[in-house]
Amino acid sequence: DAKTTQPPSMDCAEGRAANLPCNHSTISGNEYVYWYRQIHSQGPQYIIHGLKNNETNEMASLIITEDRKSSTLILPHATLRDTAVYYCIGRGSQGNLIFGKGTKLSVKP
Amino acid sequence: DGGITQSPKYLFRKEGQNVTLSCEQNLNHDAMYWYRQDPGQGLRLIYYSQIVNDFQKGDIAEGYSVSREKKESFPLTVTSAQKNPTAFYLCASSTPWTYNEKLFFGSGTQLSVL
Repeated sequence: DAKTTQPPSMDCAEGRAANLPCNHSTISGNEYVYWYRQIHSQGPQYIIHGLKNNETNEMASLIITEDRKSSTLILPHATLRDTAVYYCIGRGSQGNLIFGKGTKLSVKP
Repeated sequence: DGGITQSPKYLFRKEGQNVTLSCEQNLNHDAMYWYRQDPGQGLRLIYYSQIVNDFQKGDIAEGYSVSREKKESFPLTVTSAQKNPTAFYLCASSTPWTYNEKLFFGSGTQLSVL
């Protein structure tokens, strides 16, 4: 299984950039890195994914290191509504995506 | 609106009872999944189906059963053999596994034991 490691919690001031790190040293060469987030008692929501190059969409940016062993999700201007658990996801031996415990991001006014 | 609908939102199970959680999608996705989430934990895969009339066990399939008779429906039955069923259950769907798929989730069902 592709194991990912994330800090359990982080704080961020409203309006500032939130940078969420993830280590995925066991990821294989053709596996994408996915990020999802889950607001309390709701289903997870897709944010972004990438393979080698940095990616950006309307929600966030994803920076992947050249060796692909780690990545950083960037929320450029965090709002209170970005308070959620953020999952950096690897792939299991059966091919399914594996959700760890994630990082609980608290955006504070 | 396209999406995934889970029902009911809250469900209570009596001792020894089987209960069925509903999951319907109108996204025309081939693959569907059931996850279990315990408080403060990540999601664990129960069952998945990549095509109609076929499904595979995930990491924690014991005490659960599924069927996939229609593309849009993937019900999960929590049987009396599941001794600790209290959890938040999430259904998801995606295009076929290509190592580049996105999962779309329903809003979940909270199951509790009376």
